[in-house]
This record gives sequence, C-alpha cells and structure tokens, in this order.
Amino acid sequence: AQKVTQAQTEISVVEKEDVTLDCVYETRDTTYYLFWYKQPPSGELVFLIRRNSFDEQNEISGRYSWNFQKSTSSFNFTITASQVVDSAVYFCALRKDYNTDKLIFGTGTRLQVFP
Amino acid sequence: SAVISQKPSRDICQRGTSLTIQCQVDSQVTMMFWYRQQPGQSLTLIATANQGSEATYESGFVIDKFPISRPNLTFSTLTVSNMSPEDSSIYLCSVPGQGAPGELFFGEGSRLTVL
Repeated sequence: AQKVTQAQTEISVVEKEDVTLDCVYETRDTTYYLFWYKQPPSGELVFLIRRNSFDEQNEISGRYSWNFQKSTSSFNFTITASQVVDSAVYFCALRKDYNTDKLIFGTGTRLQVFP
Repeated sequence: SAVISQKPSRDICQRGTSLTIQCQVDSQVTMMFWYRQQPGQSLTLIATANQGSEATYESGFVIDKFPISRPNLTFSTLTVSNMSPEDSSIYLCSVPGQGAPGELFFGEGSRLTVL
C-alpha cells in the first residue's frame, strides 16, 4: 500500500523561528517521487519541490530546505527564519504509479506564523 | 506553468440539488484531474478526465454522483449530483506540468457548502 503520513496537524511559531514539517511515506515501489505543496488561504495549491527516489541529496532553496532519508522513509521540510507569509497548509505527496501523474497526499500540516 | 480558472469559486447549495463546476486551462492538456478536499482533510482524487473518452474514477467515486465532461483539451466540468451535506468540500481541478513528472498545477478550487 502507498501512504503518506504527516503527523503534525498544526504548528504555530513566531516569526523568524525555524520550523520543520515532517513527512513519512510508505511505498513498495523502488522508483517513486515525493512532493511538497503549499496551500495558502487563497486555496490554490502551489508546487514547491519534487524529489525522486534515486536522489537523496538534500536541497536548499532560499529559506526552504528538504531532507530526504530513504532509510527512514522520510521527506522533511524545513523553513528557516519563518515569515508571516509562510502561513499555509503544507502537503506532502507521493506519486502513486510510475507512469502516471496521480498523487497521494498526506493530511497536511497547518503552519501559522505569528508576527 | 499552467493557469487554471475554476467557476464558481464558492457556492451554497440546497440538499438534493446538483451543481456543475467548470475548469478552464490556458493551454491544451491531455489529462485533467478532479480532487476533493473535505473540511480539514487531505486531497482525494475523484477522477481523471481524458479528452475523447470517459473519465476514469477512483475507488469510492461513481459517475452517477460525479459526472464529468471533457469536450476539448482546455476545458472540463465536474457535476456534484443530488448533493448532501457530506458533499461540502473544496473541489479542485489540476493538470500536469510540462516539466517534472508528477508536478501538478491546481486551480483555486470551488468551495461548496451544502445545507
């Protein structure tokens, strides 16, 4: 079975704090893709990153960084020096099949950043 | 990237009625996906809409309840039939990106409340 678990339902931080959003996945596939999406209050999901199962290098993009650990089936997302504009629901997702664009989403983590 | 417009953005409906949601994309795409996001929940794929053929429904979703049309490569509609309060959700249209496999672009969603 394929599954994505985001154990943190809601996180609140004060601006400039660092915050890590956890994502644990289950899959029997040897080749797969993982994603993070952001859903701001406007409702539109915004693609943040894709990682394939062959690439375990961590990635940094500005204040965002991702830690992919195949050994623990985790794909965690860290926001450094958080800002109020980071307030949103963040979804981790797993691509369901190799030859498809279907995604399995986690339940999301609502991040609130207070000034 | 793709620009996706959904109508209506929100609506309040009476039990037993049906509502059709429209999704317009600014480029031609082969596949379009319809997702449902129930209050506080994750996204669940309803069906894949392919131009020129019947939509492919995921387990738990049936054509009689969620008929889909796909008249051309830039447009699709999802109808929520015989609505009940349990159908209160955000319904999102999405299309694959041209780049990274599995990357999806989403519309802003249609928030339906059924009384």
